[in-house]
Amino acid sequence: DTAVSQTPKYLVTQMGNDKSIKCEQNLGHDTMYWYKQDSKKFLKIMFSYNNKELIINETVPNRFSPKSPDKAHLNLHINSLELGDSAVYFCASSQGDTRHNEQFFGPGTRLTVL
Amino acid sequence: DAKTTQPNSMESNEEEPVHLPCNHSTISGTDYIHWYRQLPSQGPEYVIHGLTSNVNNRMASLAIAEDRKSSTLILHRATLRDAAVYYCILRDVSSGNTGKLIFGQGTTLQVKP
Repeated sequence: DTAVSQTPKYLVTQMGNDKSIKCEQNLGHDTMYWYKQDSKKFLKIMFSYNNKELIINETVPNRFSPKSPDKAHLNLHINSLELGDSAVYFCASSQGDTRHNEQFFGPGTRLTVL
Repeated sequence: DAKTTQPNSMESNEEEPVHLPCNHSTISGTDYIHWYRQLPSQGPEYVIHGLTSNVNNRMASLAIAEDRKSSTLILHRATLRDAAVYYCILRDVSSGNTGKLIFGQGTTLQVKP
């Protein structure tokens, strides 16, 4: 069983479109995250949800809107896609305070905006 | 945020030990040191973490300097599968219980057969 899964794995779309990426974890964790890895391979956190509540919102354009329907899911919706949104997006989850606990990452979604 | 400094790249031979260094001179007293690695075309995966004492698990060992200003990830016998980018990360204390991890550029480890 995959612990953290993301769909789709690849997403190719035109500028200006709206798209969503879904994430599900079956680990029973209470915290989920979205990270973005750009073309230079830098990984940067975007959002974090704890028990369906937004707790981290980095300086991300408001075209990006995360939604957590329940503790096991954290979806990422992107409006009006731009070329600069092309990246690999990783979902992750953890239980509680990660000073002690590890984060489990999904396989990533490669988004290409043409 | 407390920062870490790692060499951009390192090489190792298969079946030999690898010591991956990390400097974190501005670490605060309650920062935990985490190591993650990212295999090609995969998401990051947890390797090990510690606070003050050396730590061992099935994947690696973590040696932490007495002053905590540096640490070393030790892979006891490198395999080809260990070729990855290794990230040394300090858990962001300011984020409270949110668990934000701040990734640097990491060390790209090449393992030669």
